[in-house]
Amino acid sequence: QKEVEQNSGPLSVPEGAIASLNCTYSDRGSQSFFWYRQYSGKSPELIMFIYSNGDKEDGRFTAQLNKASQYVSLLIRDSQPSDSATYLCAVIGSGAGSYQLTFGKGTKLSVIP
Amino acid sequence: GAVVSQHPSRVICKSGTSVKIECRSLDFQATTMFWYRQFPKQSLMLMATSNEGSKATYEQGVEKDKFLINHASLTLSTLTVTSAHPEDSSFYICSARDIFQPQGAPRNGYTFGSGTRLTVV
Repeated sequence: QKEVEQNSGPLSVPEGAIASLNCTYSDRGSQSFFWYRQYSGKSPELIMFIYSNGDKEDGRFTAQLNKASQYVSLLIRDSQPSDSATYLCAVIGSGAGSYQLTFGKGTKLSVIP
Repeated sequence: GAVVSQHPSRVICKSGTSVKIECRSLDFQATTMFWYRQFPKQSLMLMATSNEGSKATYEQGVEKDKFLINHASLTLSTLTVTSAHPEDSSFYICSARDIFQPQGAPRNGYTFGSGTRLTVV
């Protein structure tokens, strides 16, 4: 069973601070890694994707991937109240013939004004 | 950008009836459609994967006779929940893979529909 693990939170950070979200995955052969944001009652929207070890930055968001540790993280700088949502880590594992995504349970982030 | 239109957004039905959920890719052709279910405070669980023109592949534990998936064209896939019961109440979401995405794992993920909140009473 391929698993994606996240701390469910809630993670509370003050406005303007850095929010750090973490994810581990069990399938060492996983290929691609994604972070989605999901507001309550809405479908997920893609924030970042990463497939190579290291950091990838896009605006206030930085994704970090460490395949040796099977760990992927998302940093949100200058957190805003509008960032309050559930963040889902998703992975495309090895042997996923149709390249389907496996999701973690999500971390609920609350940015306090 | 790519858009997947999902309807209805909300539906309430009586126990024992069937409900059809549609997902349409509006500006691209979807070679593959994924159907997910999400219970409150849970993650998205993949139910099935469908490729245009072929039978859907269901995940373990998902009843294929209860959740009928049709992907008859490159722009439309439907999920029919047959003989719905209260335990089928959930948030159903589709996502689509663009036919023109390069082979292999998608570097930019998939496009999600807006979801359907099903309540069976």
